[in-house]
Amino acid sequence: DADVTQTPRNRITKTGKRIMLECSQTKGHDRMYWYRQDPGLGLRLIYYSFDVKDINKGEISDGYSVSRQAQAKFSLSLESAIPNQTALYFCATSDYGSGSGRFDEQFFGPGTRLTVL
Amino acid sequence: AQSVAQPEDQVNVAEGNPLTVKCTYSVSGNPYLFWYVQYPNRGLQFLLKYITGDNLVKGSYGFEAEFNKSQTSFHLKKPSALVSDSALYFCAVRDGGLTGGGNKLTFGTGTQLKVEL
Repeated sequence: DADVTQTPRNRITKTGKRIMLECSQTKGHDRMYWYRQDPGLGLRLIYYSFDVKDINKGEISDGYSVSRQAQAKFSLSLESAIPNQTALYFCATSDYGSGSGRFDEQFFGPGTRLTVL
Repeated sequence: AQSVAQPEDQVNVAEGNPLTVKCTYSVSGNPYLFWYVQYPNRGLQFLLKYITGDNLVKGSYGFEAEFNKSQTSFHLKKPSALVSDSALYFCAVRDGGLTGGGNKLTFGTGTQLKVEL
């Protein structure tokens, strides 16, 4: 979905390096999410933010941190990357309000493929 | 806790034949159910959702899903498969009885659909 962009699209790094993945959205949504996708494991939630001042841990937050710089921007950091963080990372957004938007239909970015050597 | 199971890692079907991708769920309250599709090198795209009402939900690209409360299932179906339907399909659930920090989607592990000529 072109309304949700992620940079970089691909990144190869070494163990111990600090990495930041960035997500921007033009959908005007308050809620943003970071997931990682691993083969056979589906999508697992790392962190989520319901507004700029609200950040919450997901099911696999260890080794990750996030920053919600603005409504439209949500960054994911790996403070000291390790090989088992090699995965495909997705950012997603959703709305909350009246009508169907309150049912958390999520819109995904194209993903960042991260390889940690 | 909420959970989703997709019992088949892969489903193979001939073009023109009907297809079914299975999903079962577990939530404490009322389920909000979703299907997403992921094409190669792309993010997830929303297909359809069930919130309430008619048990047969119609979505994008000719897909539909049937909600069965007694069997806690939400199987994805299409009457006539196309080669272009080949992709990875994810079922997701949210507990409609939860708000705030509980307002998150849980995804299944995904089912790879392969449609052959």
